[in-house]
Amino acid sequence: AQKVTQAQTEISVVEKEDVTLDCVYETRDTTYYLFWYKQPPSGELVFLIRRNSFDEQNEISGRYSWNFQKSTSSFNFTITASQVVDSAVYFCASAGSARQLTFGSGTQLTVLP
Amino acid sequence: DTEVTQTPKHLVMGMTNKKSLKCEQHMGHRAMYWYKQKAKKPPELMFVYSYEKLSINESVPSRFSPECPNSSLLNLHLHALQPEDSALYLCASSQGQGAIDTGELFFGEGSRLTVL
Repeated sequence: AQKVTQAQTEISVVEKEDVTLDCVYETRDTTYYLFWYKQPPSGELVFLIRRNSFDEQNEISGRYSWNFQKSTSSFNFTITASQVVDSAVYFCASAGSARQLTFGSGTQLTVLP
Repeated sequence: DTEVTQTPKHLVMGMTNKKSLKCEQHMGHRAMYWYKQKAKKPPELMFVYSYEKLSINESVPSRFSPECPNSSLLNLHLHALQPEDSALYLCASSQGQGAIDTGELFFGEGSRLTVL
């Protein structure tokens, strides 16, 4: 079974600050995938990234970057130079042998102007 | 704009009503999902359809009845609901049957249900 922990319930930053959202996962599967989804106030979850358990390379996409560390079972997400439009709930999730997503509890990010 | 369309966006119903939520996607995806999301909680999987057949039912009460008329449509029929069933109901689709196969689920904006 998968378990995903997002210890940060709410984070507030001022625009242009960098912010890191933490994600810790637990799994007994040797093959698994990790995800981040964004849920803006409109409701739909928007896919941001997927990483598999064999690829620990960090990834950067514009202002977004992800740090996957198997040694600490973490898959943290950093937004550089945050913007008001980044305000949303961010979910970390995992999928393993059960094939379906297990979501963390989510982190509400508020970026203030 | 999302490529998964859900109607209605808002629904208020009494405990004796019968209503349906509808979901449509035209991306050629063969798997479709219903999730339930309570306020300030993560989405919870309810049902998965793969190639128009029900493949996963996460022990959902029978007052929720899913239907997949064709590969593009997914319905959720509601009957005799309870106030605690009030939630955001999210539909999603993917190319494969699960996140581990496909890498990405596409979600609709959800139908916000209130049961009085």
